[in-house]
Amino acid sequence: DTAVSQTPKYLVTQMGNDKSIKCEQNLGHDTMYWYKQDSKKFLKIMFSYNNKELIINETVPNRFSPKSPDKAHLNLHINSLELGDSAVYFCASSRGGVGELFFGEGSRLTVL
Amino acid sequence: QQPVQSPQAVILREGEDAVINCSSSKALYSVHWYRQKHGEAPVFLMILLKGGEQKGHDKISASFNEKKQQSSLYLTASQLSYSGTYFCGTEVGSSNTGKLIFGQGTTLQVKP
Repeated sequence: DTAVSQTPKYLVTQMGNDKSIKCEQNLGHDTMYWYKQDSKKFLKIMFSYNNKELIINETVPNRFSPKSPDKAHLNLHINSLELGDSAVYFCASSRGGVGELFFGEGSRLTVL
Repeated sequence: QQPVQSPQAVILREGEDAVINCSSSKALYSVHWYRQKHGEAPVFLMILLKGGEQKGHDKISASFNEKKQQSSLYLTASQLSYSGTYFCGTEVGSSNTGKLIFGQGTTLQVKP
C-alpha cells in the first residue's frame, strides 16, 4: 500500500487550461501539504492543511486552490495555467506539526 | 528566509567522507534533512530539535548549533547509495510553526 499517493503522475496541458491533482494518504496523519519543485530543484511550500483546515498559505497566486474534503485527502486545482506553473508538485503528510514529512511520488506538470 | 546550503555539489569516491552545511539568517526551532534521488520523492533522514543536538543514522549523522543557526550533515564512508540531492529544511522561530523552508539542495555523487 502506498502511504501517500498522487494522481496523475504526469500532466501535459496547454496554457490557459485548468487542471487538478489529487492526493491521498493512508497513514492517519492530521497534516497535509503541497510543495512545488521547480526545474532548479527548489522545493517550496505552497499550502498546509491540518484536519481539513488551511493553516499555511504561502504567496501563491489565486489561480491555485487547494481543497481538503477530509483529513486523508488534499487536492490542488490550478486555473488558467501559465508556463511558469511547469514543475513537479509534491503532496506530503505528517503527524501533527512538522514532524517527518512523507512525500508522494510527485506529479510532473508541463504547460505548453 | 531560505537557508543556504554549501557546497552546491560534491563528488566523492566510495569510502570517502563528506560534510554538507546549512545556514540560516534567522533563529531556528528545528532542522530537518532529506535526501532525494533523481526522479523520486524526497526521503526523510532526520530531525534535530535542540541546540547542540547531534543525531546519528547508520553512517549519516548531523549536528545543530542553535547559536550559530547552522546545521551540518556528516556522511562517513560513503556508499554508492548515498548519491542524490540533500536538502535541509528549517523551521524558523522559537516554536513549532508547521512551516518547513528548504535550502537549495546539495548534489552528492559517489563514484566507485
